[in-house]
Amino acid sequence: EPEVTQTPSHQVTQMGQEVILRCVPISNHLYFYWYRQILGQKVEFLVSFYNNEISEKSEIFDDQFSVERPDGSNFTLKIRSTKLEDSAMYFCASLAGPYNEQFFGPGTRLTVL
Amino acid sequence: AQSVTQPDIHITVSEGASLELRCNYSYGATPYLFWYVQSPGQGLQLLLKYFSGDTLVQGIKGFEAEFKRSQSSFNLRKPSVHWSDAAEYFCAVGGTGGSYIPTFGRGTSLIVHP
Repeated sequence: EPEVTQTPSHQVTQMGQEVILRCVPISNHLYFYWYRQILGQKVEFLVSFYNNEISEKSEIFDDQFSVERPDGSNFTLKIRSTKLEDSAMYFCASLAGPYNEQFFGPGTRLTVL
Repeated sequence: AQSVTQPDIHITVSEGASLELRCNYSYGATPYLFWYVQSPGQGLQLLLKYFSGDTLVQGIKGFEAEFKRSQSSFNLRKPSVHWSDAAEYFCAVGGTGGSYIPTFGRGTSLIVHP
């Protein structure tokens, strides 16, 4: 069964450093998403991406964040200068189209020291 | 704006007992509704979904949920809980717009006693 994959599973970084989280969505899916989940809290939407551009973003997704689909398979989330409060689990999801459900990756746990 | 309320932060049941997790939503039109499960250290796995049609939806792992429009609810049920069901459960509501971004509830943590 096709699945969304994410790398790395765990990333530890120093405050102020840049990190890139990688996702490989399901191959025939058209919509891509990043969510984050701070420990003990609910899953929060960050950004959606369709047709090679951001379609929606939340207030969390400020100028420190960017997304890219550099080739036909990868979907990346970059945090330019990490802060302590960026420590969270980051989930990628993809969607084939309307009237379908999102499929989530296993997540990347980001720890900012 | 759409929103989801899961009023129970924790639910504790004994193995073999029945389970009902509550979910109430707010959405202006016909919603898409989902239940996801998250086991420790894992991603979110879809248990079941409601888009239209029969309001009683069957999912994986023996779960079912019933959409009640009059109560704006989509409660998750299982007749007999297994220890492996211990996990975090998230209800989500999504719209029919092109960007299709569901809103998640805060989650209910299920604890299963032997």
